[in-house]
Amino acid sequence: EVQLLESGGGLVQPGGSLRLSCAASGFTFSTYAMTWVRQAPGKGLEWVSTINTGSNTYYADSVKGRFTISRDNSKNTLYLQMDSLRAEDTAVYYCAASKPYSKSPLGYWGQGTLVTVSS
Amino acid sequence: QSVLTQPPSASGTPGQRVTISCSGSSSNIGTNTVNWYQQLPGTAPKLLIFSNNQRPSGVPDRFSGSKSGTSASLAISGLQSEDEADYYCAAWDDSLNGRVFGGGTKLTVL
Repeated sequence: EVQLLESGGGLVQPGGSLRLSCAASGFTFSTYAMTWVRQAPGKGLEWVSTINTGSNTYYADSVKGRFTISRDNSKNTLYLQMDSLRAEDTAVYYCAASKPYSKSPLGYWGQGTLVTVSS
Repeated sequence: QSVLTQPPSASGTPGQRVTISCSGSSSNIGTNTVNWYQQLPGTAPKLLIFSNNQRPSGVPDRFSGSKSGTSASLAISGLQSEDEADYYCAAWDDSLNGRVFGGGTKLTVL
């Protein structure tokens, strides 16, 4: 059974940092592109970042220069390092998997982890 | 303001057919395939339609997708109460070099 389990969310002050993790199981992690999608409270889905199987990375303009996506294929884990956090980064963050390309549909989703940026 | 444009709401009665539109541009829908996601209340999104009109295994054939030019649509026939959810279209945007979503359409089954 495919599982994506996000962790690392919580309350952080504006300007602070947080690292999200997404542990994958039930599929060959190294052969999938991985993506972070977020959803602010009561709002729609927003693409955040994607890393492909060759570790090429892509970012939304809203997070470029502040967020860093990475993966550890030996641990079947995806990461999102979030720095210089702002109130508008408050959202549920989902990790999702697509194969074989970055453009491919997001076939697997985690349940999400809530990040709250507030003083 | 989302790159892809969807109506914020749609509704229908049980058994009816409803359609949800998604409008984009040449750099996204005009060039790449469209996917649709269903998000039931309080849950994570789920892939509903991929490559414009393909259904993942387990998705009922009541759900269908189509694409023409820079627009796409999702059709749901034989509407059921459990179809009440938010629906999102999405595509890759070659100009932004990233994935773009529609703003979402909240479907109400009356």
